[in-house]
Amino acid sequence: EPEVTQTPSHQVTQMGQEVILRCVPISNHLYFYWYRQILGQKVEFLVSFYNNEISEKSEIFDDQFSVERPDGSNFTLKIRSTKLEDSAMYFCASKQLYGYTFGSGTRLTVV
Amino acid sequence: DAKTTQPPSMDCAEGRAANLPCNHSTISGNEYVYWYRQIHSQGPQYIIHGLKNNETNEMASLIITEDRKSSTLILPHATLRDTAVYYCIVSSSYNTDKLIFGTGTRLQVFP
Repeated sequence: EPEVTQTPSHQVTQMGQEVILRCVPISNHLYFYWYRQILGQKVEFLVSFYNNEISEKSEIFDDQFSVERPDGSNFTLKIRSTKLEDSAMYFCASKQLYGYTFGSGTRLTVV
Repeated sequence: DAKTTQPPSMDCAEGRAANLPCNHSTISGNEYVYWYRQIHSQGPQYIIHGLKNNETNEMASLIITEDRKSSTLILPHATLRDTAVYYCIVSSSYNTDKLIFGTGTRLQVFP
């Protein structure tokens, strides 16, 4: 069964550093998303991406965040200057028509 | 905010049917009912979705009331591996529409 692949599975970074979280969506999917889940809290929408541009973003997705689909297969989330409160699981997802497929997530720990 | 209401937790004996209810009284005509589950801190997993007819797939059945204000997810023969948090989400048919997760129902399947 096709999968959404996320790397790395766990990243530890120092506050103020830039991080890039990587995702390989399912190849024939057209819609791409990032969500995050702070430990013990709900899964939260960050951003949706379609046709090489952002479709929608949440209030969480401020100027410190950016997304890119640089080569037609990878989909990345960049956090420019990490804060302690960015520590969370970050999930990438993709969709064809109905029903998202989520990756297994990247656990980001900011110290 | 999530547009659905679910009980916070349920138990089910292994081998028995698990019936997970969801209220979505403010659902609008173009919104689908989606069910996802999350096992530990893994990425959410798509289970099933429906608009107004009952649906069945290899994982589960979805029963939607005629007025569409509530639904029930049925796992016909629950196993220990079905222990997870189950999310009922309403989302429009627009392809880029985000998922808004609530707190879900924590289903515990016991031997």
